[in-house]
Amino acid sequence: AQRVTQPEKLLSVFKGAPVELKCNYSYSGSPELFWYVQYSRQRLQLLLRHISRESIKGFTADLNKGETSFHLKKPFAQEEDSAMYYCALKDGGAQKLVFGQGTRLTINP
Amino acid sequence: NAGVTQTPKFQVLKTGQSMTLQCAQDMNHNSMYWYRQDPGMGLRLIYYSASEGTTDKGEVPNGYNVSRLNKREFSLRLESAAPSQTSVYFCASSEALDRDGIFGDGTRLSIL
Repeated sequence: AQRVTQPEKLLSVFKGAPVELKCNYSYSGSPELFWYVQYSRQRLQLLLRHISRESIKGFTADLNKGETSFHLKKPFAQEEDSAMYYCALKDGGAQKLVFGQGTRLTINP
Repeated sequence: NAGVTQTPKFQVLKTGQSMTLQCAQDMNHNSMYWYRQDPGMGLRLIYYSASEGTTDKGEVPNGYNVSRLNKREFSLRLESAAPSQTSVYFCASSEALDRDGIFGDGTRLSIL
């Protein structure tokens, strides 16, 4: 069955330090993966998707099929990056989004 | 702003009461979803509707029913609320099932 695992519930780093939010998945087909972000008192919104291979707000994520991972990275964290981050997988067969448990990222000044 | 609108934003119920959460989108999206968000569990899909007139169960459908009233509206009903249904509920919509979703602000539901 498809599954998305985010091993860290909480992650705290200092401003200016690199940040990596881990995401691992299990899926038998070709996965389509996303990162969503929820800032305090705001709605959940799409941050980036792997097929776009884009950098949004300094974040990038590379799909590693060998390691079945889609880690989110940013070289220099900023205070405004503090938020809840969700990794999600599009289940092509059932055509729905499957989310991980989420990681709460806190950037300390 | 255009997007996904959920009502109410907050609600407290007693065990056994019924409640309907409303969701409407004005983006002419075909697909709509209901998720619940719980600490340590992430977002879990309750029900979804691929298009007007169709609904399908998600990961955690027990205790819920849905109605796709028209293309714009997708409601979630709790017939007999239980404390285990205390959660934050999110509605989302997308152009199609193979696209990412646009989320509403959420409904915080507490069942005593």
